[in-house]
Amino acid sequence: NAGVMQNPRHLVRRRGQEARLRCSPVKGHSHVYWYRQLPEEGLKFMVYLQKENIIDESGMPKERFSAEFPKEGPSILRIQQVVRGDSAAYFCASSHGAVSAETQYFGPGTRLLVL
Amino acid sequence: GENVEQHPSTLSVQEGDSAVIKCTYSDSASNYFPWYKQELGKGPQLIIDIRSNVGEKKDQRIAVTLNKTAKHFSLHITETQPEDSAVYFCAASRGAGGTSYGKLTFGQGTILTVHP
Repeated sequence: NAGVMQNPRHLVRRRGQEARLRCSPVKGHSHVYWYRQLPEEGLKFMVYLQKENIIDESGMPKERFSAEFPKEGPSILRIQQVVRGDSAAYFCASSHGAVSAETQYFGPGTRLLVL
Repeated sequence: GENVEQHPSTLSVQEGDSAVIKCTYSDSASNYFPWYKQELGKGPQLIIDIRSNVGEKKDQRIAVTLNKTAKHFSLHITETQPEDSAVYFCAASRGAGGTSYGKLTFGQGTILTVHP
């Protein structure tokens, strides 16, 4: 069974550009979470989505960041007008939502570098 | 909101020794406590988890204990091997239900080094 897939694995952007990160959850999972990890730090919650709904975005910066999980296709984390402080590893996790609902499985991450 | 403190930040042991990592949490409503192992350049891998209705759980060389009264939980690794070397994170969440559902709050991580 395929686990959580994220692409790209590495992304380089110049300041002011847009970054688009994609996440495909484990097959059958309907809940997706995004976390950010700054160098040598723990993971920080950003947003929790179910299909077509944002459930909790309390950890997401109010400006420039948005997330979606459409009915069809992967979840997308979008960062507009990137700044150097956005450089981090972004991890997506998924859970089933019904069976062992709170158990989250993580993808390999997207490492964003802003020049 | 929830706050999770993890200690120690680094831990160095000899192969075959035991390793213990401890975490404390602040939100008494937290009821789900997973542990993740992260190797360099990879995503966190779930290694064991415990729910608040049990005090201890074991899986081969790995065990987790939970003290809800004191709001702390610990990871125990016995007979450590060099391949156990990685960063270990504890986390806490309120589990199913409510607006905080599923949101994991992580500790700061412990760098475990197992020397051959």
